[in-house]
Amino acid sequence: GENVEQHPSTLSVQEGDSAVIKCTYSDSASNYFPWYKQELGKRPQLIIDIRSNVGEKKDQRIAVTLNKTAKHFSLHITETQPEDSAVYFCAASGAGKSTFGDGTTLTVKP
Amino acid sequence: DAEITQSPRHKITETGRQVTLACHQTWNHNNMFWYRQDLGHGLRLIHYSYGVHDTNKGEVSDGYSVSRSNTEDLPLTLESAASSQTSVYFCASSVDSSGNTIYFGEGSWLTVV
Repeated sequence: GENVEQHPSTLSVQEGDSAVIKCTYSDSASNYFPWYKQELGKRPQLIIDIRSNVGEKKDQRIAVTLNKTAKHFSLHITETQPEDSAVYFCAASGAGKSTFGDGTTLTVKP
Repeated sequence: DAEITQSPRHKITETGRQVTLACHQTWNHNNMFWYRQDLGHGLRLIHYSYGVHDTNKGEVSDGYSVSRSNTEDLPLTLESAASSQTSVYFCASSVDSSGNTIYFGEGSWLTVV
């Protein structure tokens, strides 16, 4: 089955700095890569996604890149703000199923 | 608005009891999933369904069962609750199998004592 590794497990940045979270996957059949943000006590919510036929996607301060050959994808958050503090999950999806990484706890210090 | 709802949101039960967590979605999604979330393990798939009368085991299915008698509901049953099943449980759904966004319910906090 699919295996997704996510790094780092914790990340602390100063407000205004950039944050990068990286994931690798094992199954070349995976074709959809969403990123979820989970605030404390809340449900995971989609923040951005990318499909296997696209190399990069951007939405305001967040962007995702995908390298299919190397089987890795990354989340980039620029100009971080305290409200970006949360747990972020990557996922690799194929045939209707998603496998999640273990999550990255991002702390943005004012 | 369409939504995915879980009940109960919080439950405390005793070891050995049978527990059922309900999940109901109004999006008419074909795919439904149950995940558990534990510290350090992210979201792990318990069971999933691609449609009515279809159920499949995920990576951590031991001790759990599901049934899909209609499109809207996928109840999760713990046959004989164990302390290791203390966790947060998330139900989720997606449109179909073509790599679509998964939408999560609000979660059910289960404590087995």
